[in-house]
Amino acid sequence: DSGVTQTPKHLITATGQRVTLRCSPRSGDLSVYWYQQSLDQGLQFLIQYYNGEERAKGNILERFSAQQFPDLHSELNLSSLELGDSALYFCASSVAPQAYGYTFGSGTRLTVV
Amino acid sequence: DQQVKQNSPSLSVQEGRISILNCDYTNSMFDYFLWYKKYPAEGPTFLISISSIKDKNEDGRFTVFLNKSAKHLSLHIVPSQPGDSAVYFCATFLNQAGTALIFGKGTTLSVSS
Repeated sequence: DSGVTQTPKHLITATGQRVTLRCSPRSGDLSVYWYQQSLDQGLQFLIQYYNGEERAKGNILERFSAQQFPDLHSELNLSSLELGDSALYFCASSVAPQAYGYTFGSGTRLTVV
Repeated sequence: DQQVKQNSPSLSVQEGRISILNCDYTNSMFDYFLWYKKYPAEGPTFLISISSIKDKNEDGRFTVFLNKSAKHLSLHIVPSQPGDSAVYFCATFLNQAGTALIFGKGTTLSVSS
């Protein structure tokens, strides 16, 4: 158990729908990062939050949004879902990224049908 | 355009031999490099890192070498064990604040007994 908790583990939904993925970082970690892993694109950085504030943005679509709450858990909202959004979505947290990198959760597998 | 490239999608090695995984990067300003290991149905796990002020970092069976002039790093696993069979990703930070860790597409290592 990495200490980073992601729910749900699996999600199947239809095109056009909206889903919310949830992440609880390791105790004490203020940063949360979201990644998408699809078969052809590898691990793509989506967005980072630090203590409730957006800190960095990567290849995140406008249909996707995220937030980090006062208790530091984070949610990734995916809307107007398309078949191509089917992927593994990982959340990670960190305390000292240069020394220890990020600690990842086990991911949420999203299937859009 | 990929800033971190792992050109070998797969590598097969016999137990007890050396595994060498390679990674190339494009930007000479990158100053921290990390290797992650990923098993199926799990999130990536941090393995080892190296700062650009070093050319080698060792941790048990794992050694990372950095050649800054060639913009190349490699991960050596000696001796390789069947439990090392996994996907290995090299990664670096897009900026010095430790945000936006970007990954190569990974190399699948298979160690046979």
